[in-house]
Amino acid sequence: ILNVEQSPQSLHVQEGDSTNFTCSFPSSNFYALHWYRWETAKSPEALFVMTLNGDEKKKGRISATLNTKEGYSYLYIKGSQPEDSATYLCACGEAGNMLTFGGGTRLMVKP
Amino acid sequence: EAQVTQNPRYLITVTGKKLTVTCSQNMNHEYMSWYRQDPGLGLRQIYYSMNVEVTDKGDVPEGYKVSRKEKRNFPLILESPSPNQTSLYFCASSLRPPDVSRAQSMWKLFFGSGTQLSVL
Repeated sequence: ILNVEQSPQSLHVQEGDSTNFTCSFPSSNFYALHWYRWETAKSPEALFVMTLNGDEKKKGRISATLNTKEGYSYLYIKGSQPEDSATYLCACGEAGNMLTFGGGTRLMVKP
Repeated sequence: EAQVTQNPRYLITVTGKKLTVTCSQNMNHEYMSWYRQDPGLGLRQIYYSMNVEVTDKGDVPEGYKVSRKEKRNFPLILESPSPNQTSLYFCASSLRPPDVSRAQSMWKLFFGSGTQLSVL
């Protein structure tokens, strides 16, 4: 079982602020890093899947980077909006088929 | 509409009464998986399936069974539920299992709407 950690556990920001949070994972046997967005009362939805060291992905105001050598990924949100309020989950896949999720970062954006 | 369908959404049962949570996907996905979500513990994998008739244990398989007789269905079976199985359950699927020969986009998980199970 991998130890995938996300920080912070929760975050309150003001509308318009940019923010970022971290996912850390063991760098040995790394295969892939997933980010999901999970709104209350809905299902998690995929944001990004990254595999290569130095990968950067972007979707609108949300972007992510990956450092497989040191075992971390950052998720950035530029100009946060109230609709960005959600729990952001990362998941790390080892070589093979297991995908281990972190505990999530709960983001609340105040208007 | 492409989707993963779980049923029921909510279920209250008693200890020891066998139950099945169904999961069906209409996207011809090879990979399917079950997770449970508990406060402070994140999503933990129960079982997964690479394809028809191929299943394997995840992190927390005790007390659960699965089957994959058809590609589209992956039911979760609790033979004798206990109160510690009270949880929020998610089924998920992806087009392909992770494989270096395949595009990353094929590994994204699509989640069902969740089943809130309470075992009294």
